Formats: sequence, structure tokens, C-alpha cells
Amino acid sequence: GENVEQHPSTLSVQEGDSAVIKCTYSDSASNYFPWYKQELGKGPQLIIDIRSNVGEKKDQRIAVTLNKTAKHFSLHITETQPEDSAVYFCAGEASGSARQLTFGSGTQLTVLP
Amino acid sequence: NAGVTQTPKFQVLKTGQSMTLQCAQDMNHEYMSWYRQDPGMGLRLIHYSVGAGITDQGEVPNGYNVSRSTTEDFPLRLLSAAPSQTSVYFCASSQILAGGSEQYFGPGTRLTVT
Repeated sequence: GENVEQHPSTLSVQEGDSAVIKCTYSDSASNYFPWYKQELGKGPQLIIDIRSNVGEKKDQRIAVTLNKTAKHFSLHITETQPEDSAVYFCAGEASGSARQLTFGSGTQLTVLP
Repeated sequence: NAGVTQTPKFQVLKTGQSMTLQCAQDMNHEYMSWYRQDPGMGLRLIHYSVGAGITDQGEVPNGYNVSRSTTEDFPLRLLSAAPSQTSVYFCASSQILAGGSEQYFGPGTRLTVT
């Protein structure tokens, strides 16, 4: 089955700086890679996703890049703000897996004012 | 739309007790799933369903049962609770689209087994 590894487990940045979180996956059949943000006491919420036919996707201050050859994808947050502080999870979904998502272990991002 | 709702929010059980965690969605999604979240381990899939009457096991199914009699509801049953089942449980739902689609998560149920 799919195995998704996520680094780093914790990340602290100064407000206004950029943050990068990286994930690698094992199943070459995976073709959908979402990123979720989880605030304390809440369920995860999708912030951006990318499919295997795309190399990069942007949404305002958030971008995701995908390298299918190397089997890794990354989340980039620019101009970080205190409200970006949360736990971020990457995930991978393999084609034909009946929508089974395999999640990374999470990154606690802290944006220091 | 209420989205995905879960009850209860918190629950304390003694070892050996049984209970059902409730999950409902009002988005007419075919796919529903249950995850457990433990510190440092992300979310792990317990069971999932691709439609009424169809369920299947995920990564960590032991100790849990599910059924899907309607599109809206997907309850998770613990038949004999164990301390190892202390966790936060999330239900999620989504459409089934080629190429993947967003999964919507409920607010979670925090379960403690003593």
C-alpha cells in the first residue's frame, strides 16, 4: 500500500517569512495529493490539492509542487501570518484505491509575530 | 448545509463497554469514511463506504464495525472498548470523482477508554 512521509514535524517561522513542508510517497500509482490544515480542536480542512497531470498549483499565498519522477510534493506558504499557525497534513490517493487517502504524520507550523 | 456532523463530541468508556459513534452528512456524498488520529501518527483509515450497503476495511479495522444503511449515515461501533482505542475519531465524506475530490471532515469525537 501507499506510504506517505512528511517533514519536518515542527516548523517555526517569523511572520512574513515563507514556510515549506515536504512529503514523499511510495506508490507510483498515486495521482491525487491534497493538503489539509487542522486547527486546534477541529477537523482537517482542505487548503489545496494537486493532481498528477499538473506540476504546480497556486492559490494566493499557498502553492503546491509535485515531482512525479522523484515521488515528492511540497507545500509552500508565503508571507506567513499568525493565523497560518496550525497542523498541516499531506496525503496521497492511489488510482483505483476507492478513495483511500494515506496521510503523512503532520507538521506543526508556528508563525511567530 | 450542516456538512458532516458527529456525535458525541467527547466520550469516556470503561474497558469492555460498547458504544456507537454517529456520523451524518447532508451533501449526498457517496463516499464516507472513519479515521482515527493519534499523536504523531496522522490520520489512519479505519473503515470506508462507497455507497449504501457497501463497506470495506481500511488500514486499522480491528475492534470496529460499520454499516451503511442510508447515504446520509455511517455509524462506527466499538463492540468491546480497549485502552488502545483511546483516540480522536473523524468521519469524512466526499463525492467519488475520477482524479480525486475534497474530503469533508466532521469536528471529531474524542474518546477515552479507561
